Amino acid sequence: EADIYQTPRYLVIGTGKKITLECSQTMGHDKMYWYQQDPGMELHLIHYSYGVNSTEKGDLSSESTVSRIRTEHFPLTLESARPSHTSQYLCASSEWDRGFEKLFFGSGTQLSVL
Amino acid sequence: GQQVMQIPQYQHVQEGEDFTTYCNSSTTLSNIQWYKQRPGGHPVFLIQLVKSGEVKKQKRLTFQFGEAKKNSSLHITATQTTDVGTYFCADLTGANNLFFGTGTRLTVIP
Repeated sequence: EADIYQTPRYLVIGTGKKITLECSQTMGHDKMYWYQQDPGMELHLIHYSYGVNSTEKGDLSSESTVSRIRTEHFPLTLESARPSHTSQYLCASSEWDRGFEKLFFGSGTQLSVL
Repeated sequence: GQQVMQIPQYQHVQEGEDFTTYCNSSTTLSNIQWYKQRPGGHPVFLIQLVKSGEVKKQKRLTFQFGEAKKNSSLHITATQTTDVGTYFCADLTGANNLFFGTGTRLTVIP
């Protein structure tokens, strides 16, 4: 099982609050990702990083931002949360395994904005 | 843009019945990965298919990649309650990121 951790597991906050979702991995993986997933729906890539000081926007436009100051840490920040941000946020890292990239996911943060 | 559709969206089966989910793309797939997400859980990697017509088996699960590399399927023989979850296929995009399909949610009735 992969060592990738997300905190908090659940978060309920009011509109307008600034929040940071934490993601850490101890596997030394360079590439990391943030996906957004509504209940029962597909995963949408919102951010990714190739390594330290690298951040890229994903396929789905998001008002969140990310940073990658250390290899193991890839936090996601929402400056001013809104009810439309209510969703599950999944962090992942990847490694190359026999010629292909394999993703390992954290347990996710379920965010509810009231 | 890239579209990877899975059918059916939902499937209810009696325990012991077989189950199949299909993954279809409008464009040629570079390779296909399959993930399983248990209810309330996170996606877990199952397998990757690379070659046209490739078939791989994992116990009761059989994965197939179409000859034209535009579709893939996952078949589960004699489902068990532990098979419950959502099954996603995923393809690599041009930026080398995984693009996930719409998923098939499987319910197994004991």
